[in-house]
Amino acid sequence: AQSVAQPEDQVNVAEGNPLTVKCTYSVSGNPYLFWYVQYPNRGLQFLLKYITGDNLVKGSYGFEAEFNKSQTSFHLKKPSALVSDSALYFCAVTRPGGYNKLIFGAGTRLAVHP
Amino acid sequence: DTAVSQTPKYLVTQMGNDKSIKCEQNLGHDTMYWYKQDSKKFLKIMFSYNNKELIINETVPNRFSPKSPDKAHLNLHINSLELGDSAVYFCASSPVMSGSSGNTIYFGEGSWLTVV
Repeated sequence: AQSVAQPEDQVNVAEGNPLTVKCTYSVSGNPYLFWYVQYPNRGLQFLLKYITGDNLVKGSYGFEAEFNKSQTSFHLKKPSALVSDSALYFCAVTRPGGYNKLIFGAGTRLAVHP
Repeated sequence: DTAVSQTPKYLVTQMGNDKSIKCEQNLGHDTMYWYKQDSKKFLKIMFSYNNKELIINETVPNRFSPKSPDKAHLNLHINSLELGDSAVYFCASSPVMSGSSGNTIYFGEGSWLTVV
């Protein structure tokens, strides 16, 4: 069975500082990993994904994530946070083959303070 | 152009009523989904259709019935609404099932259902 853990309910960062939103996963075999962002009263927007290849993945809005197989982690990062980055962030995992479901973490609320 | 559109965005209805949420995608994708987001923001898949065929049917009450008239549309009908059905329902689509090749799932804006 697949699962995703986002250990922090909320992350607080000052504008201009680097941010990290943590994600660890459990899946049998190789994972496909995703990050989505949800702004208030909006749908989920795709940020980036890891399928294979380079462990550092770059995505939308200056976000990036690093796949670490030994630590089963896929943390989301941004070098310099903006107030407009404040939102709910979801990590998700699936695995290759067949009709495998995309399983989401519980979400982490990012609050960027001016 | 909206890629995945769902209507209505907001729906307030009484217990016991029957309601439908419609979803359309103009991305040419083969696979469509319904996800439910509860009051704690937890997201869980309900159904998935691939080319109009039901592929995933999670442990969802029989009162929920998806219908896919063609691969661009996936509607959700809910009978005998209960208070616990209050949630945000997201429609989504992907080229094929995400697990097949890591395809990205694209979400609609959500339908906020409140049962009173």
